[in-house]
Amino acid sequence: GQNIDQPTEMTATEGAIVQINCTYQTSGFNGLFWYQQHAGEAPTFLSYNVLDGLEEKGRFSSFLSRSKGYSYLLLKELQMKDSASYLCAVGDSNYQLIWGAGTKLIIKP
Amino acid sequence: ETGVTQTPRHLVMGMTNKKSLKCEQHLGHNAMYWYKQSAKKPLELMFVYSLEERVENNSVPSRFSPECPNSSHLFLHLHTLQPEDSALYLCASSQGELGSSNYNEQFFGPGTRLTVL
Repeated sequence: GQNIDQPTEMTATEGAIVQINCTYQTSGFNGLFWYQQHAGEAPTFLSYNVLDGLEEKGRFSSFLSRSKGYSYLLLKELQMKDSASYLCAVGDSNYQLIWGAGTKLIIKP
Repeated sequence: ETGVTQTPRHLVMGMTNKKSLKCEQHLGHNAMYWYKQSAKKPLELMFVYSLEERVENNSVPSRFSPECPNSSHLFLHLHTLQPEDSALYLCASSQGELGSSNYNEQFFGPGTRLTVL
């Protein structure tokens, strides 16, 4: 079957760095996406990786290793507004997005 | 208005009611999606429309019926729902389908919080 695994919840301190991991097993691979979803709001796009390596975008970076079926989202200089759920999604061989259940990130002062 | 809008934002209905959810996108996209989001569960893709044609069904129960009259509007008609259908229903749109050369990320609406009594 197809499966996306990510931790249910993580806690970090304002100003620190946090890494949210995502492992996947899918039929085929057509890109990996990270979305941010604040409570009661719509998910918003953060990053897209299709090749191995690190993609950096401001305070957020996303890493992909296709051979390991692994990605992480790295958030630096954490701010209180980064408290949200972070969703990992993978495009499978049918070009459908398979979603993880999301990681709830709690930022403490 | 900009982006993706959904109405209503909240809906409470009985199991015998018929209601419809509406989604409108103002981004000029040509693909639209319905997702179901239940607490602590992954987003579940329900339907995909590309250029107003349904391309994915994902074995959704027939009590959910989608309608896409044009590239900007998407409806989800609901009838004889069950309490386990209570969830957040999200609409999204994208330029192109995943895998197509003109695909870009999906833009989501704020969702309709549905409660079935």
